[in-house]
Amino acid sequence: ETGVTQTPRHLVMGMTNKKSLKCEQHLGHNAMYWYKQSAKKPLELMFVYNFKEQTENNSVPSRFSPECPNSSHLFLHLHTLQPEDSALYLCASSLRLGKLFFGSGTQLSVL
Amino acid sequence: DQQVKQNSPSLSVQEGRISILNCDYTNSMFDYFLWYKKYPAEGPTFLISISSIKDKNEDGRFTVFLNKSAKHLSLHIVPSQPGDSAVYFCAARVNFGNEKLTFGTGTRLTIIP
Repeated sequence: ETGVTQTPRHLVMGMTNKKSLKCEQHLGHNAMYWYKQSAKKPLELMFVYNFKEQTENNSVPSRFSPECPNSSHLFLHLHTLQPEDSALYLCASSLRLGKLFFGSGTQLSVL
Repeated sequence: DQQVKQNSPSLSVQEGRISILNCDYTNSMFDYFLWYKKYPAEGPTFLISISSIKDKNEDGRFTVFLNKSAKHLSLHIVPSQPGDSAVYFCAARVNFGNEKLTFGTGTRLTIIP
């Protein structure tokens, strides 16, 4: 148990679907992150939130829409994705300037 | 352009021997480096880190070495144990106060019993 919980663990969706990934952290951290891991590629930072405010958007397409209602919860809303968006999506949290604690990820397949 | 490179996608080491995982970087502004370990179906977990003012940091069986002139760091695991079999990611940060980590592609380490 890392203290960062992601649901669902696996998701298969069509290109016209709308779905959401959920992340919850129980560590009292104030920063939350979305990372994407594609096969044979480095982990790519997508979004960073500090105290619910988005501080980083790493040129992510608008079909990915993050939401951070409070410091413990983070969502990634998915809409009209492409097959190349299939990847492992990892949520992480940290104290400000601290090391990252990752969730187990959501393995996403877009058909 | 990949700023953090792990050129060996995989490595196999006999149990009890030393495992050496390598990482090269191109951005001279990186000043804090981390290693993460990932088991299948789990997220990466922090292993060890080093700041650019040091050239070595040790934590039990794990030691990280930093060679700034060569822009190279390495992770040594000794002695290697079967539970060390995992994917190891090198990561780097520009300025200690910056949350943005740049990761390498990972090296899959297999420890042979």
